[in-house]
Amino acid sequence: GEDVEQSLFLSVREGDSSVINCTYTDSSSTYLYWYKQEPGAGLQLLTYIFSNMDMKQDQRLTVLLNKKDKHLSLRIADTQTGDSAIYFCAEIPSGRDGTASKLTFGTGTRLQVTL
Amino acid sequence: DTEVTQTPKHLVMGMTNKKSLKCEQHMGHRAMYWYKQKAKKPPELMFVYSYEKLSINESVPSRFSPECPNSSLLNLHLHALQPEDSALYLCASSQGVLGTDTQYFGPGTRLTVL
Repeated sequence: GEDVEQSLFLSVREGDSSVINCTYTDSSSTYLYWYKQEPGAGLQLLTYIFSNMDMKQDQRLTVLLNKKDKHLSLRIADTQTGDSAIYFCAEIPSGRDGTASKLTFGTGTRLQVTL
Repeated sequence: DTEVTQTPKHLVMGMTNKKSLKCEQHMGHRAMYWYKQKAKKPPELMFVYSYEKLSINESVPSRFSPECPNSSLLNLHLHALQPEDSALYLCASSQGVLGTDTQYFGPGTRLTVL
């Protein structure tokens, strides 16, 4: 099957904006997610967007969704050193079991924030 | 409260040992998940329990045996593991209802098989 694609690495300077991109596979996915994983830690849910929305803003985070191109992006404003981590996008493809969901993860983007 | 707890944090075991990983949530979620994550890779789904019944087994070798004693607890029993099973094991839970079914993850257990 197709993979959910992300670029491997992004380096930004502290205070700049970061944009992490994701190309997902299932145009009928209902929800799309962004998770953050710091070294040696579990996955922290950052935000999610429902498929009938184009944009969602949550403090420093802005999610943009282009359903036509199956493209999802996460913008982090005023990036801080504490934002250094791996970021995974994820989708719940259609055809899921009614009582549990199978998340399909992207390949992950490592964000490095430099001083 | 969106906390999922996992114990132990680290585990080192030999190939002949038997050990268990534990996961707990008190959010009233009815779906619980085990994932395996190798370094620099996304998590891979292993098992899903829905309303305390095993609903998905992603063709995981029988040396991994899941158990869901009640709606708050999820165990993963390990026996005769191989060195390639060394990984971060993540537990997650979700409401288990139609519509948004956001998964919340625990901190993971770092497993090393010698």
